[in-house]
Amino acid sequence: DQQVKQNSPSLSVQEGRISILNCDYTNSMFDYFLWYKKYPAEGPTFLISISSIKDKNEDGRFTVFLNKSAKHLSLHIVPSQPGDSAVYFCAATNINAGGTSYGKLTFGQGTILTVHP
Amino acid sequence: KAGVTQTPRYLIKTRGQQVTLSCSPISGHRSVSWYQQTPGQGLQFLFEYFSETQRNKGNFPGRFSGRQFSNSRSEMNVSTLELGDSALYLCASSPRGSGGAYEQYFGPGTRLTVT
Repeated sequence: DQQVKQNSPSLSVQEGRISILNCDYTNSMFDYFLWYKKYPAEGPTFLISISSIKDKNEDGRFTVFLNKSAKHLSLHIVPSQPGDSAVYFCAATNINAGGTSYGKLTFGQGTILTVHP
Repeated sequence: KAGVTQTPRYLIKTRGQQVTLSCSPISGHRSVSWYQQTPGQGLQFLFEYFSETQRNKGNFPGRFSGRQFSNSRSEMNVSTLELGDSALYLCASSPRGSGGAYEQYFGPGTRLTVT
């Protein structure tokens, strides 16, 4: 049962344009969402997060949007740069629960972003 | 601050052997989580330790175990290795101690190959 889904395995974008990465979740108990970027042979790098009490969070070129009713979030990268080429993972957790939520992020399968010069 | 470090970076073991992987969290972080990454299953949560106590465990067999020391360093152990245990094992630390995961900061991982 995949509770976090990234339905697009890959995305190709031209440098300078917007990249939009999508993520859907099924578990209504999730209340905190994160995006990570991963290069080959490295661990994931934290990019940006959003709490379920918000619908938007920005950090430089990165903006995350959350639509709770649709159980959908997206990461916008503007403008896209060749160095952004990597695998992007969406992750979710429940920060208000203890027990089975402690230290546990549930990840999507990832989307490979390629930004062409 | 130094990031999360993991040793060794690469390991080759034979079926039936056991292996111990090590993780040093970011200074001041007391929560350490472990994940397994495989092409088929993606990133799967193994367990989390906080103040030397395992607080949460994922859906993995008992062959997978771990511990945390008083300095927050953590080890994970896999006994009786199987071919399917070949994976990238990632350790992550977090400054938060309560509730769910919040932001976690990952190490580079240990690539385990079982032959």
